[in-house]
This record gives sequence, C-alpha cells and structure tokens, in this order.
Amino acid sequence: DTAVSQTPKYLVTQMGNDKSIKCEQNLGHDTMYWYKQDSKKFLKIMFSYNNKELIINETVPNRFSPKSPDKAHLNLHINSLELGDSAVYFCASSQVAGRDEQFFGPGTRLTVL
Amino acid sequence: AQSVTQLGSHVSVSEGALVLLRCNYSSSVPPYLFWYVQYPNQGLQLLLKYTTGATLVKGINGFEAEFKKSETSFHLTKPSAHMSDAAEYFCAVSYGGATNKLIFGTGTLLAVQP
Repeated sequence: DTAVSQTPKYLVTQMGNDKSIKCEQNLGHDTMYWYKQDSKKFLKIMFSYNNKELIINETVPNRFSPKSPDKAHLNLHINSLELGDSAVYFCASSQVAGRDEQFFGPGTRLTVL
Repeated sequence: AQSVTQLGSHVSVSEGALVLLRCNYSSSVPPYLFWYVQYPNQGLQLLLKYTTGATLVKGINGFEAEFKKSETSFHLTKPSAHMSDAAEYFCAVSYGGATNKLIFGTGTLLAVQP
C-alpha cells in the first residue's frame, strides 16, 4: 500500500498550458503539503492544508492553486505554465503540522517546454 | 529569518569509513530537527528526528545524530558507510504549531567509493 501517492509521475507540457497534479494519502493524516524541488535540489514549501483548510501559503504565484476536496487529497493546479515552473513537485502529509514526521510522495517531474 | 545550513554540498567517503554530514540551524529557540534521505528519482524518507528528550537520536540504516544546543547543530553520522548509502541527505527544522513549516537545508550529496 502506497502511503502518499502522486499522479502523474512525469508531466511534459508546453508553455501557457494548464495542468494538474493529484495527491492522495491513506495514512489518516490531517495535514498535507506541496513542496517544489528545483534543479539544484533545493526544497521549498508552497502550501499546507490542515483538515481541508489552507494554513500555509508561501509567496507562490497566483497561477498555482491548491485544492483539497477532503483531508486525504490535495491537488495542485497550475495555470499558464512557464519555463521556470519546471521542477519536481512533492506532496507530503503529517499527523500534526510542524512537529511530526512528514511522509513524502514519489514526486512529479514537471517539464515545461 | 530561520535557516538551516548544511556544510558541504558534496561529501565523498570510502566504503567502511565514517560518514559525517553537518547541519546547523539559526534560532534561539530549539527547533524540531529532522534528517531525510532522497535516493535518485524518489521522494524523501525520514532517517531520524529530534523533538525532545535524549539528544542522541538513532535512526534507520545505522545512522544517528546528536542535538547540541550550545552549537546549534544536529550532525548526522554513521560509523561505516555502505555503497547503498549513496544519496542526497537533507537536514530540516520546524518550530511546531499549525502554521509552522519544515525548513530544509540545501542538501548534501553523499558519494561512497568502493
């Protein structure tokens, strides 16, 4: 059983397109996150949801919109994709925000051409 | 601003040698501390964490780390490196609370030479 799953694993698209990445966790956790890992492997948090409510929103362009239909799912929709959006996006979840271990998904490698 | 510094973006050791990966944080308030490992084309996996209590923390795969408040450090060690330890290692901190986030260091790529 995969604890945190993401689809798709690879996403190649043209500039200007809109795309979504889906994330699901079966751990019963209350908090979910999206991270972006750039080409230098630097990881930065983008968003966090606790029980379907947005609790962290870093300085991310408005083109990025997370949606949490229930506490087991946190999807990421990206409008008008730009070259600089190319990165690996990781979803994660934890039981208690901030203190507990975060469990990471396998990542989605987004390439914008 | 709170930050995490990992000294050495690349570390190379021989198989069987000691592994030492350095991590320092900047904060007057002791944080929760984590070490994660990332194998190629995979997500991050927790190696160990420090929240409270004993300052020497043992993790998976023979790794351990010691929280030293006076040095604001949380260095990761392993007595004897294996080839399978080759990966990217990330130190991370958080300060608790619902709105506090995990702040990652820039990572250290560990190479293990035969």
